[in-house]
Amino acid sequence: QITLKESGPTLVKPTETLTLTCIFSGFSLSTSGVGVGWIRQPPGKALEWLALIYWDDDKRYSPSLKSRLTITMDTSKIQVVLTMTNLDPVDTATYYCTRLNTHNNYFDYWGPGTLVTVSS
Amino acid sequence: DIQMTQSPSSLSASVGDRVTIPCRASQSIGIYLNWYQQKPGKAPKLLIHGAFSLQSGVPSRFSGSGSGTDFTLTISSLQPEDFATYYCQQSYSTRALAFGGGTKVEIK
Repeated sequence: QITLKESGPTLVKPTETLTLTCIFSGFSLSTSGVGVGWIRQPPGKALEWLALIYWDDDKRYSPSLKSRLTITMDTSKIQVVLTMTNLDPVDTATYYCTRLNTHNNYFDYWGPGTLVTVSS
Repeated sequence: DIQMTQSPSSLSASVGDRVTIPCRASQSIGIYLNWYQQKPGKAPKLLIHGAFSLQSGVPSRFSGSGSGTDFTLTISSLQPEDFATYYCQQSYSTRALAFGGGTKVEIK
């Protein structure tokens, strides 16, 4: 059974750095053809893809947010961390961790999401 | 970067209706198009990948079609549990895996 779960702060101040962790089970990033991605959704708005990391440590970032994002995986390959710098209230959103199937680059498993509010 | 457009942003339908939800890409993406369903307060769920491949466990009343720039998600007979928001996502370019703005299917 594949599961993913996001964890991190629920409230962040403007200009601070956000660190979110995704812990997953049922698969490993040591398996080829697999990736882990982050997607966010501001309240009442559409989904926005943020970043991806592949089993071979290749990384992709949203062009509009690339300068603020860093995605890494730990050596155990069952945990991925997303860092976003210089937070702003517009970054208030539910952040989802997802598994990417690289066959057609689709997100086949999702975590429940974690709501992050940016406010002073 | 490839932009995905979903219009209308909402539509009203009745149980039993055949519903079609369009999605358009700003450039040709072959069949690299995926569909997701999202219910309020829940994470999205994958329905269709590769434009027409039904994800395991998804009811057969859902189907996908199209290629190039124009795609459609069809629900052959709308069920009460299908009232939700539907998103398309292009997977042709991994430099920017863009989602469409979503189409909300509401009860008429």
